[in-house]
Amino acid sequence: DTGVSQNPRHKITKRGQNVTFRCDPISEHNRLYWYRQTLGQGPEFLTYFQNEAQLEKSRLLSDRFSAERPKGSFSTLEIQRTEQGDSAMYLCASSQADRANEQFFGPGTRLTVL
Amino acid sequence: QQQVKQSPQSLIVQKGGISIINCAYENTAFDYFPWYQQFPGKGPALLIAIRPDVSEKKEGRFTISFNKSAKQFSLHIMDSQPGDSATYFCAASRTKTSYDKVIFGPGTSLSVIP
Repeated sequence: DTGVSQNPRHKITKRGQNVTFRCDPISEHNRLYWYRQTLGQGPEFLTYFQNEAQLEKSRLLSDRFSAERPKGSFSTLEIQRTEQGDSAMYLCASSQADRANEQFFGPGTRLTVL
Repeated sequence: QQQVKQSPQSLIVQKGGISIINCAYENTAFDYFPWYQQFPGKGPALLIAIRPDVSEKKEGRFTISFNKSAKQFSLHIMDSQPGDSATYFCAASRTKTSYDKVIFGPGTSLSVIP
């Protein structure tokens, strides 16, 4: 499968715990995006990388959130001290830099914070 | 000004009928308008997209109509099939900058009944 993959697909955690999600983009794509989607809403932009550089972060990305893409390939999104309001689907997408608006999404990681 | 509005929230159509979903935007700097289709448990998938220099784009049973003066665009699904049952998101972005985030509408849940 050459699409965007995300792991884990589901994560249940207790409030206050840290969680980390992984995204593997399409191999030839140098841009990688993170979105958050809550029930009944469209995806909301969180941050994006071009290669290993994080170029933009949304105000939605509080200081408890951190994203990395150390070698310009896979990316991780970590949420520290999770809160119930963090419960959502976390989506990763990738694209080529010259076709940045044609984004290919992964299946998402559904986070439930108890 | 960054918001994309979408209606209806849900839609039920008979098999063979026409499904119509409408969207509106405020930011006249938007110049790329994609539609995404999302099935349960999956990430959104790019379905069709249009730029404001054309008023209509057709791909198979899917057609986007674009009204630049009204700042509105719509998706028409002809000969709707049960397999089209999904959530549809309209979106908007700017392409003339190095990257501007894609703004998604809240989504329309489409059910096509036999």
